[in-house]
Amino acid sequence: GQNIDQPTEMTATEGAIVQINCTYQTSGFNGLFWYQQHAGEAPTFLSYNVLDGLEEKGRFSSFLSRSKGYSYLLLKELQMKDSASYLCAVRVSRDGANNLFFGTGTRLTVIP
Amino acid sequence: NAGVTQTPKFRVLKTGQSMTLLCAQDMNHEYMYWYRQDPGMGLRLIHYSVGEGTTAKGEVPDGYNVSRLKKQNFLLGLESAAPSQTSVYFCASSPTGGGQPQHFGDGTRLSIL
Repeated sequence: GQNIDQPTEMTATEGAIVQINCTYQTSGFNGLFWYQQHAGEAPTFLSYNVLDGLEEKGRFSSFLSRSKGYSYLLLKELQMKDSASYLCAVRVSRDGANNLFFGTGTRLTVIP
Repeated sequence: NAGVTQTPKFRVLKTGQSMTLLCAQDMNHEYMYWYRQDPGMGLRLIHYSVGEGTTAKGEVPDGYNVSRLKKQNFLLGLESAAPSQTSVYFCASSPTGGGQPQHFGDGTRLSIL
């Protein structure tokens, strides 16, 4: 099976930087996605890493180390609207399929 | 563009009843997926489809059936609902099974009494 771990909850201050970590143990690894999910809403795509290194998209960046089974999502200049759950999802190639396995999500609360 | 639309948004069922959840996408995506989301469990894949007329089992398929008769629609059926199927159900679609992101619907909140 897949083992994907991320912290359950985090709190950070408006304007600050926060790093949300995700570690995984899986066979057939073929990429890692980060999604944002506001309470009661659908997950929305933030970033995708398949090679080692940093991907930057405005205030959000995501890093991947395949050898360490580790990724993080970095949120800069935090805003109140960034309060949401952040889902780490590993893409696994197995039996001809490429499906996503999700972590339980990290609930981020941004405080003034 | 509507994206991915799920109906209904809410439903309460009694144990043993049956129902069908409908997912429709207007992005001409080949791949479609049904997930359930439970507290402390994360999203888990129930069934998926790689194209019209195809379906395959995901991580937690027991108690569910699916059909993909048209490319734009993916139906999830519960033949005999059980309280353990109380959950939020999300449908998603993607162009292919590659590195493109999945686009999610707004979810169906289903309670089984």
